[in-house]
Amino acid sequence: SQQGEEDPQALSIQEGENATMNCSYKTSINNLQWYRQNSGRGLVHLILIRSNEREKHSGRLRVTLDTSKKSSSLLITASRAADTASYFCATDAVILTGGGNKLTFGTGTQLKVEL
Amino acid sequence: GAGVSQSPRYKVAKRGQDVALRCDPISGHVSLFWYQQALGQGPEFLTYFQNEAQLDKSGLPSDRFFAERPEGSVSTLKIQRTQQEDSAVYLCASSRTTYEQYFGPGTRLTVT
Repeated sequence: SQQGEEDPQALSIQEGENATMNCSYKTSINNLQWYRQNSGRGLVHLILIRSNEREKHSGRLRVTLDTSKKSSSLLITASRAADTASYFCATDAVILTGGGNKLTFGTGTQLKVEL
Repeated sequence: GAGVSQSPRYKVAKRGQDVALRCDPISGHVSLFWYQQALGQGPEFLTYFQNEAQLDKSGLPSDRFFAERPEGSVSTLKIQRTQQEDSAVYLCASSRTTYEQYFGPGTRLTVT
């Protein structure tokens, strides 16, 4: 079952604008990660934020985490057409035997950046 | 270096057929994961290996699904007697660290 939901389900913006997508989850977590998935391709890891962090930056990406609200947001600044993709948050509430982390994904936000 | 590769990229099976999906992880990655992604949904965890040991298979939806990784590198996900509800993209990921998983392009399975 999905851990949570992304909001909005779909987002269409013009190149150069900022895109914000939100993720809510249900259980306590160790870390939260954001992934991007282009059409027909696998998932690409974007950024990880630990449960004791509130904000993290990586290039044009800014991630916030509010564990009291069980929510996170991903901001992409100065968007480009190449940012068109589906974006998923993933939590790892469960650490598997041997140390692997079981990722639980949200339902995703489809972002379209138009020229 | 080479990323995670999966084959075939597309597979069409008639209901009742058996299928085998292959995953080649990044060299040196001890952890390997299989996920199932239904259309319009996020991936869902199926199973996890550390080297050749299958340490968690709690996400496998039925006993028709099983996975192996006999030598601790290449893994195969096998689905017996495929059903229409098995139609999905099957993603493989490998990891060296506890956190970041590297995903392959997936195998799109269509059961007709």
